[in-house]
Amino acid sequence: ETGVTQTPRHLVMGMTNKKSLKCEQHLGHNAMYWYKQSAKKPLELMFVYSLEERVENNSVPSRFSPECPNSSHLFLHLHTLQPEDSALYLCASSSDRVQAGGNGELFFGEGSRLTVL
Amino acid sequence: TQLLEQSPQFLSIQEGENLTVYCNSSSVFSSLQWYRQEPGEGPVLLVTVVTGGEVKKLKRLTFQFGDARKDSSLHITAAQPGDTGLYLCAGGLYNQGGKLIFGQGTELSVKP
Repeated sequence: ETGVTQTPRHLVMGMTNKKSLKCEQHLGHNAMYWYKQSAKKPLELMFVYSLEERVENNSVPSRFSPECPNSSHLFLHLHTLQPEDSALYLCASSSDRVQAGGNGELFFGEGSRLTVL
Repeated sequence: TQLLEQSPQFLSIQEGENLTVYCNSSSVFSSLQWYRQEPGEGPVLLVTVVTGGEVKKLKRLTFQFGDARKDSSLHITAAQPGDTGLYLCAGGLYNQGGKLIFGQGTELSVKP
């Protein structure tokens, strides 16, 4: 139990569906992240939120839309995805925005395994 | 493009053997982290090294940060089945304020 909870753990969707991934952290952290993990590839940073403000968007297609209503919750809204978007989506949090320097630890959730048919 | 190359990508060994995993780059890092990810779980931090030449030990695991802060290694002594998992290194980019980039991972399987 890392203090970061992701739901759903598994999701199968068609290319025309709209779905959302949810992440909640109980650690009192200020920064939250979405990462994409594909087989044999490095973890890809998608979005970073610091104090509920989006501070990084790494050229992610607009079919992925993040939302951070407060410092404890993070969503990833999915719309008209492609089969190549199938992957494990990991949410993480840290006490400070790691990308701003410092050697802070990332606390990851268990991930949401997404399959796009 | 800043890359962190991990080797080997896959490693299957018998219980009791020793192994070393490498993490190499041409970039200089302000820090280097190692994570372990077990099947069905997210990555969990094992260690952070910040000083060139630093060596840290965590029970049977020994982590070393290269003198030039461009590379790192993880050595496991007398591996056990519980060590099975995906090992990820992550470097904080010195010239980008510590932004983390990840290697592609080393998948370790320790058979009893």
